[in-house]
Amino acid sequence: GESVGLHLPTLSVQEGDNSIINCAYSNSASDYFIWYKQESGKGPQFIIDIRSNMDKRQGQRVTVLLNKTVKHLSLQIAATQPGDSAVYFCAETFYGGATNKLIFGTGTLLAVQP
Amino acid sequence: GAGVSQSPSNKVTEKGKDVELRCDPISGHTALYWYRQSLGQGLEFLIYFQGNSAPDKSGLPSDRFSAERTGGSVSTLTIQRTQQEDSAVYLCASSLIHMTSGVSGRLDEQFFGPGTRLTVL
Repeated sequence: GESVGLHLPTLSVQEGDNSIINCAYSNSASDYFIWYKQESGKGPQFIIDIRSNMDKRQGQRVTVLLNKTVKHLSLQIAATQPGDSAVYFCAETFYGGATNKLIFGTGTLLAVQP
Repeated sequence: GAGVSQSPSNKVTEKGKDVELRCDPISGHTALYWYRQSLGQGLEFLIYFQGNSAPDKSGLPSDRFSAERTGGSVSTLTIQRTQQEDSAVYLCASSLIHMTSGVSGRLDEQFFGPGTRLTVL
């Protein structure tokens, strides 16, 4: 069945270090992937997305890598800051689907130590 | 700001009671989604509205769950005869349309509200 999972439920990093959050997906039909950040008491917030015809996309301090061969997705955060502390979710969907409903992973808690 | 709003922010109810959760999407957004987030879990799709089309109800966990979207704007998620396993955060999201322009390849972003935390005692 469809599923998106994360390797590490909790990641603790030092301020200034780079963070890498990983995600595995199982639906080979998915062709659009998104990373969301969710702070306590708030809804998820879009960080970055990537289509399946790409293997890398960069944003401000964030990079998403997609490896379709092993169905793996990662989010890299450069120079991690205390404000990056949150739960990060990967999500997948099928671009041509009728609803574009998102299938989410269980999330990784990123804790940034000062 | 003119983001997605949800009410109430917290709801505590007794098992067996009915509850209504409200979502006000961003003005002009035609697509509206409801998701459920259980403790320590990812978000689970519940239902999707797009304009005047029939909603996609494929994610509703039981017939105790229903949702309406009146006038293409405000949506209400109703849970009848609540059970303890219904306790979760219910999140609403809206997007401009559900199809991307195709130029950037970016799917129209789903903007999430802050959620309603439902606790069933």
